[in-house]
Amino acid sequence: AQSVTQLGSHVSVSEGALVLLRCNYSSSVPPYLFWYVQYPNQGLQLLLKYTTGATLVKGINGFEAEFKKSETSFHLTKPSAHMSDAAEYFCAVSLYNTDKLIFGTGTRLQVFP
Amino acid sequence: ETGVTQTPRHLVMGMTNKKSLKCEQHLGHNAMYWYKQSAKKPLELMFVYSLEERVENNSVPSRFSPECPNSSHLFLHLHTLQPEDSALYLCASSRAPRDVTIYFGEGSWLTVV
Repeated sequence: AQSVTQLGSHVSVSEGALVLLRCNYSSSVPPYLFWYVQYPNQGLQLLLKYTTGATLVKGINGFEAEFKKSETSFHLTKPSAHMSDAAEYFCAVSLYNTDKLIFGTGTRLQVFP
Repeated sequence: ETGVTQTPRHLVMGMTNKKSLKCEQHLGHNAMYWYKQSAKKPLELMFVYSLEERVENNSVPSRFSPECPNSSHLFLHLHTLQPEDSALYLCASSRAPRDVTIYFGEGSWLTVV
């Protein structure tokens, strides 16, 4: 069965600093991997996804993530944090060719001036 | 992405009430979903509808009753809920039953008193 672990329920960074949000998954077959962002009082918005091909995936708002099969990881990064990045971020995994998403518990990102 | 709209955004109901949550997608998608988001827990998939037929019911109590009259509309009928059912209920849709890119609505905040 697949599962997703997000290390750190809260991450705090200064504006302009590197953002690193960690996600590890377990899956017996090649997974599809996703990052979603949830701003306060809003639903989830897709940031980026990995299905096949290039392992470094670029998403919206300057975020990117790299699929590392050997480490079973899909960490989310952004070189320079902006105040507007403050939100909750969810990593999710889906089996190839299914419509089930398994979500992590989320990481709340705080950005300080 | 504002293609999935949910109403009401906030709902307070007593344990003996009957109410409904409504979801409409304007994306021409064929699959729709209900998720439950509770504090400190991963998102839980409740129901999946594909081409208006229910294809997934993840052991959800019968006090939650979904209805999908057509591919654009999805309802969640609520009856005799418990306080622990208070949560954010998210509707989502995807282009095809096996398309893993899922688009979420902004959610309906439910409080059971």
